[in-house]
Amino acid sequence: ETGVTQTPRHLVMGMTNKKSLKCEQHLGHNAMYWYKQSAKKPLELMFVYSLEERVENNSVPSRFSPECPNSSHLFLHLHTLQPEDSALYLCASSHHLLAGVNNEQFFGPGTRLTVL
Amino acid sequence: AQTVTQSQPEMSVQEAETVTLSCTYDTSESDYYLFWYKQPPSRQMILVIRQEAYKQQNATENRFSVNFQKAAKSFSLKISDSQLGDAAMYFCAYRSALGGTSYGKLTFGQGTILTVHP
Repeated sequence: ETGVTQTPRHLVMGMTNKKSLKCEQHLGHNAMYWYKQSAKKPLELMFVYSLEERVENNSVPSRFSPECPNSSHLFLHLHTLQPEDSALYLCASSHHLLAGVNNEQFFGPGTRLTVL
Repeated sequence: AQTVTQSQPEMSVQEAETVTLSCTYDTSESDYYLFWYKQPPSRQMILVIRQEAYKQQNATENRFSVNFQKAAKSFSLKISDSQLGDAAMYFCAYRSALGGTSYGKLTFGQGTILTVHP
């Protein structure tokens, strides 16, 4: 257990649905990340938050809307998704955003999303 | 932009044997960090080992060691005395050591699925 939890673990939704993914970290970290993991593709960074402020939006479509109400929680709100958005969505956290070697990112178990 | 390439989609090894996973990367930076992550079927991504580019000595963590060749931009992972629990997807990742525009972003390779046979 790495101290980063994600709910739900599995989600099936229609293209017209609205759903949210939740991530919670119990490590006292200040930075949180959303990644998308599609089959046979490298992990793609989607969003980065530092102290509840978004610092990176990696050209992600507006149908994905992140929210970081505090440094322990991160949400990804989903609406009008497409079948190609089906993937594993991983959340991660780290102490801060600085690039030190020991500033490890700890990952959650992911949410397996299927869009019908 | 940096890229990370893992040319072996799948590898297999017999229990107790040694296996090496390959990783190459492309960067114009001189200072950076390299990582190997393990993602078992449970999907929880776990850091296996890390290497600082300015250190010539290869990192080791118990049965895991790396062969870091900076000039060749190669970063392979060697797993000795393989165990059934080593079966997982392994990802090589790069992170810049620069400040400023760098915020700890990880760039991942495509992953290598490792199967361990009893």
